Amino acid sequence: GENVEQHPSTLSVQEGDSAVIKCTYSDSASNYFPWYKQELGKRPQLIIDIRSNVGEKKDQRIAVTLNKTAKHFSLHITETQPEDSAVYFCAAIPNAGGTSYGKLTFGQGTILTVHP
Amino acid sequence: DAGVTQSPTHLIKTRGQQVTLRCSPKSGHDTVSWYQQALGQGPQFIFQYYEEEERQRGNFPDRFSGHQFPNYSSELNVNALLLGDSALYLCASSLAMNIYGYTFGSGTRLTVV
Repeated sequence: GENVEQHPSTLSVQEGDSAVIKCTYSDSASNYFPWYKQELGKRPQLIIDIRSNVGEKKDQRIAVTLNKTAKHFSLHITETQPEDSAVYFCAAIPNAGGTSYGKLTFGQGTILTVHP
Repeated sequence: DAGVTQSPTHLIKTRGQQVTLRCSPKSGHDTVSWYQQALGQGPQFIFQYYEEEERQRGNFPDRFSGHQFPNYSSELNVNALLLGDSALYLCASSLAMNIYGYTFGSGTRLTVV
């Protein structure tokens, strides 16, 4: 089955700096890669996603890049703010839109702390 | 907001007991997936229900079972609770034909003592 590795486990930045979180996946059939933000005691919330037919997607301060050959994808947050502090999870779904039933395999999570 | 709702929000049970957690999917969604999130870990897939049947299952023992009702709501049952079952249990709903619209509930925090 799919295995997703996420690094780093913790990330501390100053407000205004950029933050990068990296994930690798094992199943070459994976073709959908969402990123979730989870604040303490709250539900995971989708912040951005990318499908395997594109290499990069951007939404304001957040961007995701995908390298299918190397099987890795990354989350980039620019101009970080204290409210960006949370746990971030990457995930992967193989055969999304086809034979997959939407089973998400998550990374281990990254605790991001943005210091004012 | 007709999002995913889960009940109860918190629960304390004793080892060996049984527990039932409930989930109502987002309006319009027909598929429900359950995840277990241990403290400091990413969510782990338990199983998924569609058309009242278990469609896919993760690496969890038979003590974990579920059900989906005709109105698409779902229950997760855990028998013979172990201390290691303490976790946040998340329900997520989606459309069978559009898994990109995955939506999570706020979860049920289960503590086994």
